Amino acid sequence: DTGVSQNPRHKITKRGQNVTFRCDPISEHNRLYWYRQTLGQGPEFLTYFQNEAQLEKSRLLSDRFSAERPKGSFSTLEIQRTEQGDSAMYLCASSLYRDRADEQYFGPGTRLTVT
Amino acid sequence: AQSVTQLDSQVPVFEEAPVELRCNYSSSVSVYLFWYVQYPNQGLQLLLKYLSGSTLVESINGFEAEFNKSQTSFHLRKPSVHISDTAEYFCAVSPEGDSSYKLIFGSGTRLLVRP
Repeated sequence: DTGVSQNPRHKITKRGQNVTFRCDPISEHNRLYWYRQTLGQGPEFLTYFQNEAQLEKSRLLSDRFSAERPKGSFSTLEIQRTEQGDSAMYLCASSLYRDRADEQYFGPGTRLTVT
Repeated sequence: AQSVTQLDSQVPVFEEAPVELRCNYSSSVSVYLFWYVQYPNQGLQLLLKYLSGSTLVESINGFEAEFNKSQTSFHLRKPSVHISDTAEYFCAVSPEGDSSYKLIFGSGTRLLVRP
């Protein structure tokens, strides 16, 4: 059983650098989500895709953040000009949309540390 | 908008004792309710969910939660915990309807089961 995978698992970068994370969803899933989780908090919704279309972006997703899902398969999340406040765990989830409240399967996350 | 409150950041309990993890939510619309569990170094996993019907829902590993609409609560209970239940537990809601994909999480409760 291949679940949701994320790479890298850890990333340390200097302030001002660009970083890119990758998420590979469960193969037949048509929805893909990105969340951010800071220390001591629950995950916060960032954005989601249905197939290759990005259907919603949270206000948390500033102009420095961009997400793509080419061909409706894997997704990338890029952060440009990183700031210390971007340090967090970035979670990816996927689901198979049928009708309502489809179960989201989460990956292990990418932990970003901005120094 | 929706919000979720988990008042207890950590709950220590002895093995085989009962436990209750509290969850209250606020929403102007009807919601679906979820409990997720996160074991160390693993992704979030769905434990149980309430969509409609019976207000008492159960998981396969002995947890149960009851939806109380008047008290806007969805507390998680287990009559006898095991060491292996040690994990972080997150309560989440999503609005019914077209935005049901958007999970709003509480800040989590760390369950620590002691021998």
